[in-house]
Amino acid sequence: GIQVEQSPPDLILQEGANSTLRCNFSDSVNNLQWFHQNPWGQLINLFYIPSGTKQNGRLSATTVATERYSLLYISSSQTTDSGVYFCAVLYNQGGKLIFGQGTELSVKP
Amino acid sequence: EPEVTQTPSHQVTQMGQEVILRCVPISNHLYFYWYRQILGQKVEFLVSFYNNEISEKSEIFDDQFSVERPDGSNFTLKIRSTKLEDSAMYFCASSSDGYTEAFFGQGTRLTVV
Repeated sequence: GIQVEQSPPDLILQEGANSTLRCNFSDSVNNLQWFHQNPWGQLINLFYIPSGTKQNGRLSATTVATERYSLLYISSSQTTDSGVYFCAVLYNQGGKLIFGQGTELSVKP
Repeated sequence: EPEVTQTPSHQVTQMGQEVILRCVPISNHLYFYWYRQILGQKVEFLVSFYNNEISEKSEIFDDQFSVERPDGSNFTLKIRSTKLEDSAMYFCASSSDGYTEAFFGQGTRLTVV
């Protein structure tokens, strides 16, 4: 089956720093989503981005489908950005989202 | 903004008991899903449901699990005889077409003691 790998597994930042999280996938996909899991365990939709670039405030994401990777950029990080960031891919209609292992981000004040 | 809602947010149950986790998907969505996340691990697919039947299920989704859409709004996951290893966060999700963005509920944290 399709493999989804995220890097780095852990990241510690000082408030105000920028970061880039990476998601590699092993096969062509129809859908890619980025999620933020907050300390209460909730999965928050960040981006639906099967290809191209999107921006939402301090966050942006780029997916290069032909090269099978996606990047999530966090600029001017805040302590509230802490948590686990997951990417998930879908490669057939109606099918399951396959999640990566996540990147655990900790932003220190 | 439409959202997926799950109840309860927390459930503690004794081993061997039956539990039912409830979800109200987004109203015009057609595809429904359950996922679970054991503490500290990644989110894993359990089952997808479309047109009133299971469309796909994982190896985890054995005979102890069942899903139902009892009416036009609710989507439930039943675990017949809970085991300690069923302790996890369970997420419900829905999608309009099974192809574009899926939306997740806030999760039910199940603890089996």
